[in-house]
Amino acid sequence: AQSVTQPDIHITVSEGASLELRCNYSYGATPYLFWYVQSPGQGLQLLLKYFSGDTLVQGIKGFEAEFKRSQSSFNLRKPSVHWSDAAEYFCAKISNFGNEKLTFGTGTRLTIIP
Amino acid sequence: EPEVTQTPSHQVTQMGQEVILRCVPISNHLYFYWYRQILGQKVEFLVSFYNNEISEKSEIFDDQFSVERPDGSNFTLKIRSTKLEDSAMYFCASRKEYGYTFGSGTRLTVV
Repeated sequence: AQSVTQPDIHITVSEGASLELRCNYSYGATPYLFWYVQSPGQGLQLLLKYFSGDTLVQGIKGFEAEFKRSQSSFNLRKPSVHWSDAAEYFCAKISNFGNEKLTFGTGTRLTIIP
Repeated sequence: EPEVTQTPSHQVTQMGQEVILRCVPISNHLYFYWYRQILGQKVEFLVSFYNNEISEKSEIFDDQFSVERPDGSNFTLKIRSTKLEDSAMYFCASRKEYGYTFGSGTRLTVV
């Protein structure tokens, strides 16, 4: 069965510090990978996605993620976090586009301290 | 930017009652989905809908659940007889090619 693993349930960083959120996926041919952010009580907003090509993808709000096939990872990074980045972050995957569903990780809650 | 619209944003219902959650997907999208998120847990797939029929459903999506696209614009999720464990945030999503767009969700509280 497909799976997405986010090993960190909760991360706390200081404002201005760098951030890396981990995501590992069960291997599948040509994985399509996504990062979503969810602010409290809000919906899911797409930060970035990887389909093919350059393994370093840029997203909105200054986020980037790097696809590493050898490690089955798609970690999310930001060089300097802002207080407004406090939210829940979900990594997700599909194996191919047809009508296939997204499989989500369990999420990482990010807390920002002054 | 086109949006997926969900109504209501919050619904409280008594156990055993029927509820209908409504969604207006993006107009030129072809694939439609419902997901749910129980408080504190991950987002789970419920059902996908394409070409006016269910294309895949999860084991969560039992006979108490149904979906419809009655008029070419709305996409509804019906729960016939709600249970306490149906309390969750329900997200609608639509897709045309490579990007899913999610609505802001309906928080369903069953009391």
